[in-house]
Amino acid sequence: QSVLTQPPSVSGAPGQRVTISCTGSSSNIGARYDVHWYQQLPGTAPKLLIYGNSNRPSGVPDRFSGSKSGTSASLAITGLQAEDEADYYCQSYDSSLSGFYVFGTGTKVTVL
Amino acid sequence: QVQLQESGPGLVKPSQTLSLTCTVSGGSVSSGSYYWSWIRQPAGKGLEWIGRIYTSGSTNYNPSLKSRVTISVDTSKNQFSLKLSSVTAADTAVYYCAREAPYSGTQHWGQGTLVTVSS
Repeated sequence: QSVLTQPPSVSGAPGQRVTISCTGSSSNIGARYDVHWYQQLPGTAPKLLIYGNSNRPSGVPDRFSGSKSGTSASLAITGLQAEDEADYYCQSYDSSLSGFYVFGTGTKVTVL
Repeated sequence: QVQLQESGPGLVKPSQTLSLTCTVSGGSVSSGSYYWSWIRQPAGKGLEWIGRIYTSGSTNYNPSLKSRVTISVDTSKNQFSLKLSSVTAADTAVYYCAREAPYSGTQHWGQGTLVTVSS
């Protein structure tokens, strides 16, 4: 049902840089609605990682960065660490059908 | 620091109504400019946004669930609640309550509660 598409998985060695894409449409990301990113460690609630496309909440390392262009957004993790192994979700607002929030399909990041 | 805690039955029979409550501490459900939200996650699957209620009382719901969902606030108990009617096994999931700040994402989450729909 999600209208935001992410790759199912990405992987990288420690210290490398990985990126996760989030592809939407003209009714959500392309309509200039903000994109937020969440990290979910196994068995825990999601944690806000990036808000408003590119802003980090207090306490989130600057290894995490977000960007948006057109109908897509991206999350980059530089200097990949073992503790970054988790599921990542993008989120945006969709203006169709009287408006609602939607999460991306989710991406599993594996640290090799 | 605001904290949220879900509570409610862990087992619901098919066709019945799922009812959950989120108790808020360290903040008020009736003050500030916040959205109080419900999100769910079936085992091994992704997050699904269910809906939210604003401090003013206005609501937004996921179109796919809208006909079955009601989110409300009880200011006297500093709680908000979720009701999902006519449940089926497909509604089995971990349900999270959360607080969202406008343009700032959902920063505060409850720990989640597992609800199983089964006879």
